[in-house]
Amino acid sequence: DQQVKQNSPSLSVQEGRISILNCDYTNSMFDYFLWYKKYPAEGPTFLISISSIKDKNEDGRFTVFLNKSAKHLSLHIVPSQPGDSAVYFCAAEALFQTGANNLFFGTGTRLTVIP
Amino acid sequence: ETGVTQTPRHLVMGMTNKKSLKCEQHLGHNAMYWYKQSAKKPLELMFVYSLEERVENNSVPSRFSPECPNSSHLFLHLHTLQPEDSALYLCASSQDLRGPNQPQHFGDGTRLSIL
Repeated sequence: DQQVKQNSPSLSVQEGRISILNCDYTNSMFDYFLWYKKYPAEGPTFLISISSIKDKNEDGRFTVFLNKSAKHLSLHIVPSQPGDSAVYFCAAEALFQTGANNLFFGTGTRLTVIP
Repeated sequence: ETGVTQTPRHLVMGMTNKKSLKCEQHLGHNAMYWYKQSAKKPLELMFVYSLEERVENNSVPSRFSPECPNSSHLFLHLHTLQPEDSALYLCASSQDLRGPNQPQHFGDGTRLSIL
């Protein structure tokens, strides 16, 4: 069963407006959460992360919010730009018994920013 | 440049063939990973290597055989694959294997089709 879920396969937003991408998880042992961005024919690129001990992390136009009680995180992009059009993956990090990091990914949300 | 290079980008093979996927990272990272992404499914971790030693095998069938000759190179040897193995195979690297917030850097993937 999927431990990280992105329930919206797609999202369209006007340029200049806010984009909000959502992600839910089930495992309370996750200690880091990450967002990756993927353009067609390219691999995912790391965008922003947040530790489970924080509730907000901001980097320029990108802000990630974490609500641990709801097991929910979201990525806000403001203002949205056409170049932000891509697939966004939410990922959560847990440890194997060996201590190695294990990333669990959602299925992605395709964001389209309309000029 | 992505820093993680995968070859070939596309591969078509029959079920009885033997082929290899190659990954090279130019980032000086110590950990490398193989992931599989099937259509409409999240990325699934297959193997984890740290300093050329396999740390994790995430219940992957033996028809997939990884090899890590040095910390910059990772191979995935394929033999007698099944049609359901058709997928995008992604390689990733991170600075270290353990420790918080170790973002993984991905290559662009090899699109594998099994006839």
